[in-house]
Amino acid sequence: GQSLEQPSEVTAVEGAIVQINCTYQTSGFYGLSWYQQHDGGAPTFLSYNALDGLEETGRFSSFLSRSDSYGYLLLQELQMKDSASYFCAVRPGAGGYQKVTFGTGTKLQVIP
Amino acid sequence: DSGVTQTPKHLITATGQRVTLRCSPRSGDLSVYWYQQSLDQGLQFLIQYYNGEERAKGNILERFSAQQFPDLHSELNLSSLELGDSALYFCASSVGHRSFYGYTFGSGTRLTVV
Repeated sequence: GQSLEQPSEVTAVEGAIVQINCTYQTSGFYGLSWYQQHDGGAPTFLSYNALDGLEETGRFSSFLSRSDSYGYLLLQELQMKDSASYFCAVRPGAGGYQKVTFGTGTKLQVIP
Repeated sequence: DSGVTQTPKHLITATGQRVTLRCSPRSGDLSVYWYQQSLDQGLQFLIQYYNGEERAKGNILERFSAQQFPDLHSELNLSSLELGDSALYFCASSVGHRSFYGYTFGSGTRLTVV
């Protein structure tokens, strides 16, 4: 099976940098992805890491260490609109039919 | 608009009733996934279909069932509804069999059982 751990809540100041960690235990691992969800909205895909290292997409970066079963999402130059829940998710295998398991989510509150 | 269409957006029904939630995946996507999200909870995987066939099953209750039709749209049937079934139900689709660019989620169906 798969289990993922993330902090339940994080608070950060507008304009600052925040890191949301995710550790996972899986029977198979092919990649780690991140999703953003605003209250009542649909989750939206942010990033995907299959290899160790940092992937950067604008203000958001995602990091993966396969040997440590660990990843993080880094949000820079925080904006009020970044207040949302962030989910990490593990893909266990290569096939497109492999189901992804989501973490319980981290609620990020950005304060002025 | 993500390209994944879910209907209805809201549904209010009584305990013991049966409802059907509908999902049309993004054009070209063969896989459809159903997730349940209760208040302030994570996304619980229910079931997945790939090109009309069931491919993976999660914590789906026996009262729930789903299918994917030849045109690739999917329906999730919930029967003998209980108060605890009140939740957001999301459908997601993904690109294809060998590549992965993340799921695309629909806007969800908010089910309220009273």
